[in-house]
Amino acid sequence: AQKVTQAQTEISVVEKEDVTLDCVYETRDTTYYLFWYKQPPSGELVFLIRRNSFDEQNEISGRYSWNFQKSTSSFNFTITASQVVDSAVYFCALSGYNTDKLIFGTGTRLQVFP
Amino acid sequence: NAGVMQNPRHLVRRRGQEARLRCSPMKGHSHVYWYRQLPEEGLKFMVYLQKENIIDESGMPKERFSAEFPKEGPSILRIQQVVRGDSAAYFCASSPDLGQGRYGYTFGSGTRLTVV
Repeated sequence: AQKVTQAQTEISVVEKEDVTLDCVYETRDTTYYLFWYKQPPSGELVFLIRRNSFDEQNEISGRYSWNFQKSTSSFNFTITASQVVDSAVYFCALSGYNTDKLIFGTGTRLQVFP
Repeated sequence: NAGVMQNPRHLVRRRGQEARLRCSPMKGHSHVYWYRQLPEEGLKFMVYLQKENIIDESGMPKERFSAEFPKEGPSILRIQQVVRGDSAAYFCASSPDLGQGRYGYTFGSGTRLTVV
């Protein structure tokens, strides 16, 4: 069975602090895909990143970076120098190779205070 | 190039009424997915449809819920005799072909159903 665990329910930081959101997944597939989505207070889902299981290179996009470690089944997300606009719920998700379903974690609510 | 369009954005129904949620996929997409987000929870897969065909409905509640994606027009998620527990955000996504889950398809803005 596939499962995604986001143990951090809520995180509060002050602007300019770095923050890491944890994601641990379970799957028996050898090929799989991991995602992060952002859900701001307005409610829509914003796609942030997709990573396949064969690519363990870390990725950086501006203030966002992702650390994928197969050895620990983790795909953590770091925001550097956080801003108030980063306040949102962040979801980690998992998909198998030939499936069309995404398995979501329960999300981490990030609050960035000025 | 419009994205996935969902309407209405907000829907209020009294217990026992029917709720109809609409999803128009992106242009050229023939596959639609519905997900439900209960309050304070992550999204849960409900159903995956191709035009005129249900591919996977393993996440659909056995009663009161149905979905269709006709040859013409939007996909409809129908909830009959709504109860308070149906209050949730319902998201739709679309893709051009099978096996698109691995690409992290784009979601619509969701319909927030409130049952009073």
